[in-house]
Amino acid sequence: GAGVSQTPSNKVTEKGKYVELRCDPISGHTALYWYRQSLGQGPEFLIYFQGTGAADDSGLPNDRFFAVRPEGSVSTLKIQRTERGDSAVYLCASSSDRVGAEAFFGQGTRLTVV
Amino acid sequence: KQEVTQIPAALSVPEGENLVLNCSFTDSAIYNLQWFRQDPGKGLTSLLLIQSSQREQTSGRLNASLDKSSGRSTLYIAASQPGDSATYLCAVDNYGQNFVFGPGTRLSVLP
Repeated sequence: GAGVSQTPSNKVTEKGKYVELRCDPISGHTALYWYRQSLGQGPEFLIYFQGTGAADDSGLPNDRFFAVRPEGSVSTLKIQRTERGDSAVYLCASSSDRVGAEAFFGQGTRLTVV
Repeated sequence: KQEVTQIPAALSVPEGENLVLNCSFTDSAIYNLQWFRQDPGKGLTSLLLIQSSQREQTSGRLNASLDKSSGRSTLYIAASQPGDSATYLCAVDNYGQNFVFGPGTRLSVLP
């Protein structure tokens, strides 16, 4: 596609439930990033994929968070046993190469845990 | 650990003014620095990308400079318009730490 696409745009879930957030990167981009943004703050890094593998997952806050990118394109961020503190906008970005390339962001998924 | 700060946190100016947004980072070992715009409830739109070997980049009314040795970047907006109202974020592509963002500057341009 023309840009990074994220679905759903909004997700409301109950505390304790499992959610999946999807990211479709720009076609051909090998690098994919997940970020989380709380209100009034800059995005915080969660995980970075180069191809199919997670090259850096140091930003994942705990083991309830997991992400996959099985075919090196679409990625899914999975959150188990959601907590109210997980409420945020989850942003996905892709770039054509790891070193020095411009990053392009999607519109984000607004997750609300009630 | 890389830390990125942005000054001011918020800025309100009348239409037509030229303005400067500031970004500072603590670790100069970066691949590049990127400026983004974010409208309320929206994702990030890339404005300018400056590679570590470059001093500045220009796009229309926007000019971004980079002084890597001092850990500073500025975004200059000429002849501001109400449509420029948004939050402006800078991010550094840091060796081994991916993109580290500042908290943003919230800009309001009044008609």
